[in-house]
Amino acid sequence: EIVLTQSPGTLSLSPGDRVTLSCRASQSVGSRFLTWYQQKPGQAPRLLIYSTTNRATGIPDRFSGSGSGTDFTLTISRLEPEDFAVYYCQQYGGSPPYTFGQGTKLEIK
Amino acid sequence: QVQLVQSGAEVKKPGASVKVSCKASGYPFTAYYIHWVRQVPGQGLEWMGWINPNSGGTEYAEKFQGSVTMTGDTSISTVYMDLSRLRSDDTAIYYCARGPNWGGFDIWGQGTVVTVSS
Repeated sequence: EIVLTQSPGTLSLSPGDRVTLSCRASQSVGSRFLTWYQQKPGQAPRLLIYSTTNRATGIPDRFSGSGSGTDFTLTISRLEPEDFAVYYCQQYGGSPPYTFGQGTKLEIK
Repeated sequence: QVQLVQSGAEVKKPGASVKVSCKASGYPFTAYYIHWVRQVPGQGLEWMGWINPNSGGTEYAEKFQGSVTMTGDTSISTVYMDLSRLRSDDTAIYYCARGPNWGGFDIWGQGTVVTVSS
């Protein structure tokens, strides 16, 4: 089973800040199979980025993804108030289980 | 409008079973796998398994093998997740999600709260 470790656990930031979230895998993950989700309280997760770098439909371009192998990042170039949420990475490919990271919470400073 | 609509909240006793439904609309039902993901309150996301609505084929996470069964009914564009031998630590929100082959789970149901309590 591939374990995904996200860091940091919580970030306190202000609107307008730039933020980079980390997702590290216990073994190599194909770039095609790394995704990022955003989840707000009381809502289902929402797909943000698939295949490491591709924004899902309707996702603003302030969100970007990068990485390869075991190290992946999600960057939000300029935080908007609606971006304060929990972010999860997931590896989705090869053999199951299709594991998620434990999440990074962005909170308003 | 592409959407997945799940059945309502359930309260079950330990040892019982629960069956959650997930109705798809707005796209060809048999064209995409459906995955099930659960979230214990205040915690992260846990993948449970998938079903191929076209063939009925399934694959389950090892943790859930023997306790989960995923089925589908193409006539009503609905998949089901049946979880048996419930324990209190099965109390969670259960989500269905569409899984296109280009990666990621792009459409999610609204979630079904399952509470297991004596």
